[in-house]
Amino acid sequence: KAGVTQTPRYLIKTRGQQVTLSCSPISGHRSVSWYQQTPGQGLQFLFEYFSETQRNKGNFPGRFSGRQFSNSRSEMNVSTLELGDSALYLCASSSKTSEAGELFFGEGSRLTVL
Amino acid sequence: GNSVTQMEGPVTLSEEAFLTINCTYTATGYPSLFWYVQYPGEGLQLLLKATKADDKGSNKGFEATYRKETTSFHLEKGSVQVSDSAVYFCALSLPMNYGGSQGNLIFGKGTKLSVKP
Repeated sequence: KAGVTQTPRYLIKTRGQQVTLSCSPISGHRSVSWYQQTPGQGLQFLFEYFSETQRNKGNFPGRFSGRQFSNSRSEMNVSTLELGDSALYLCASSSKTSEAGELFFGEGSRLTVL
Repeated sequence: GNSVTQMEGPVTLSEEAFLTINCTYTATGYPSLFWYVQYPGEGLQLLLKATKADDKGSNKGFEATYRKETTSFHLEKGSVQVSDSAVYFCALSLPMNYGGSQGNLIFGKGTKLSVKP
């Protein structure tokens, strides 16, 4: 079955703009998590959604937001982009029967902020 | 706070060499522990896991044992192959009653492994 799909794969924005990233989880998976990956900070948890509800949130400013739709697809939005937001944004999904921490990751959306 | 510390890379080995990547953690409660691997151009994949003390996770010739007394979860493989070249991430998941959730992992910074033929 198809894996986690993230779009777009690459994008370039300028400071002050906003961006929306999309994630389609594996069919049947209802939990979606987002992570930011940078060379300096590594992988950091952004937020997690389950059945359209935010279940957990990491330590990021309010400029980072997300949502989940009834078909489990998820989007994350970053407003007022800063240079430091340049990163690989990873989406991961898991099923209700998955054990905690057993995540299936997409290949990521690489955001460059100029 | 809760954190994972891995040995700095990159690590370069010859084919068939023995591999150890050290990982230690700090966490409240009794976390579950994981190793994820990221091959070039691919997403992270779960390599192995252990959910309680003294559990040994194993997969594809890799092993790691959950050591509560030393708060460690070192990754080992007896004979590496060129195809094992990747970035390896140690991670933990907190119990639900300590603020954990299914999709919330705390990762180490990753160790890049290069295996030469």
